[in-house]
Amino acid sequence: AQSVTQPDIHITVSEGASLELRCNYSYGATPYLFWYVQSPGQGLQLLLKYFSGDTLVQGIKGFEAEFKRSQSSFNLRKPSVHWSDAAEYFCAVGARGTGGFKTIFGAGTRLFVKA
Amino acid sequence: DTAVSQTPKYLVTQMGNDKSIKCEQNLGHDTMYWYKQDSKKFLKIMFSYNNKELIINETVPNRFSPKSPDKAHLNLHINSLELGDSAVYFCASSQNTGGSGNTIYFGEGSWLTVV
Repeated sequence: AQSVTQPDIHITVSEGASLELRCNYSYGATPYLFWYVQSPGQGLQLLLKYFSGDTLVQGIKGFEAEFKRSQSSFNLRKPSVHWSDAAEYFCAVGARGTGGFKTIFGAGTRLFVKA
Repeated sequence: DTAVSQTPKYLVTQMGNDKSIKCEQNLGHDTMYWYKQDSKKFLKIMFSYNNKELIINETVPNRFSPKSPDKAHLNLHINSLELGDSAVYFCASSQNTGGSGNTIYFGEGSWLTVV
């Protein structure tokens, strides 16, 4: 069955430091992969997605992610974190299974940014 | 213009009551969803509709009944509310169920508290 694992429940990063959020997926074929961000009290917003082509994808707000098939990973990165990046980040995999196409979300990683 | 809008945003109600959450999308999408986010931020799909037709029905108590009068609307009715139903319910939509990197657009959520 398809699944997504975000190993880190929360991460604290200093403002201006680099960031990497980990995501591992389980799926038999090439997955569709997404990163979403959820600010407090808000819905989820798409940061970026991958489904083919260049394995390094650029997203909004200066985020990027790299698909590594050999590691079944799709880690999210940002070179310099801003205080406004503090939020919950969800990795998701889109895959076809019983009942049709589904997007399955990881448990999320909460990002704290310290001054 | 809000792409996916849901009402009410906050709802506090007593156990045993029946309540509804309404959702509308103005993106022209064919597919709509209801997701439930629990207190630990875990996001789980409940239902998916494509052109008013139910296509995904995860293991959800039958006290939850979605209704899609047209493809732009997907309402959620909950009977006999229980304490465990307290959560944030997100309505969402996507262009279709084709899965080709379909992006899901989320509403801002409806915070349901059952007391």
